[in-house]
Amino acid sequence: DQQVKQNSPSLSVQEGRISILNCDYTNSMFDYFLWYKKYPAEGPTFLISISSIKDKNEDGRFTVFLNKSAKHLSLHIVPSQPGDSAVYFCAASSNSGGSNYKLTFGKGTLLTVNP
Amino acid sequence: NAGVTQTPKFQVLKTGQSMTLQCAQDMNHNSMYWYRQDPGMGLRLIYYSASEGTTDKGEVPNGYNVSRLNKREFSLRLESAAPSQTSVYFCASSAQGITEAFFGQGTRLTVV
Repeated sequence: DQQVKQNSPSLSVQEGRISILNCDYTNSMFDYFLWYKKYPAEGPTFLISISSIKDKNEDGRFTVFLNKSAKHLSLHIVPSQPGDSAVYFCAASSNSGGSNYKLTFGKGTLLTVNP
Repeated sequence: NAGVTQTPKFQVLKTGQSMTLQCAQDMNHNSMYWYRQDPGMGLRLIYYSASEGTTDKGEVPNGYNVSRLNKREFSLRLESAAPSQTSVYFCASSAQGITEAFFGQGTRLTVV
């Protein structure tokens, strides 16, 4: 049972436009959400996160939106740059039972930003 | 500042062979993790160690053992490698009470 779903395996956008990556989750106990970025042959790197008590978090060109009622979050990249081309993983964790350190990942979305 | 260091970076094993993947972090983090990444599967948690002296199973622990040698080091052992264990393995660490984890560069393991 996949608890974190990224239904788009890939996304292609033009440089300068907005990239929107989507993520859905099924476990209502999740209360903290993260996005990681991964280049080929490298480990994932943390990008941005959001707590369930918020509906938006912004960091430069990256904004994450959370819709708890729909169990949906999205990552917006504006403007998109060729260097943003990578695989983006959505991840979630739950604070219940002191397990806030375990992350459940989606399958990832390959973003390609074309010059 | 190395962060999370994994060795080796690449390894080819024959079915039935054993090996240990090494991981060390220099960020004084309490928690450490081993994930595997397979095509189309995302990252799946194999084992984790919430703090020095403790280890627990993750989502896919079968065929693996771990040792939290000290606060810095967390090793993953394959006792009898199988082709199904062909994967990229990532070690990660995080500070106590902090969910964001820092990842190593990965070990690409092929079992033939």
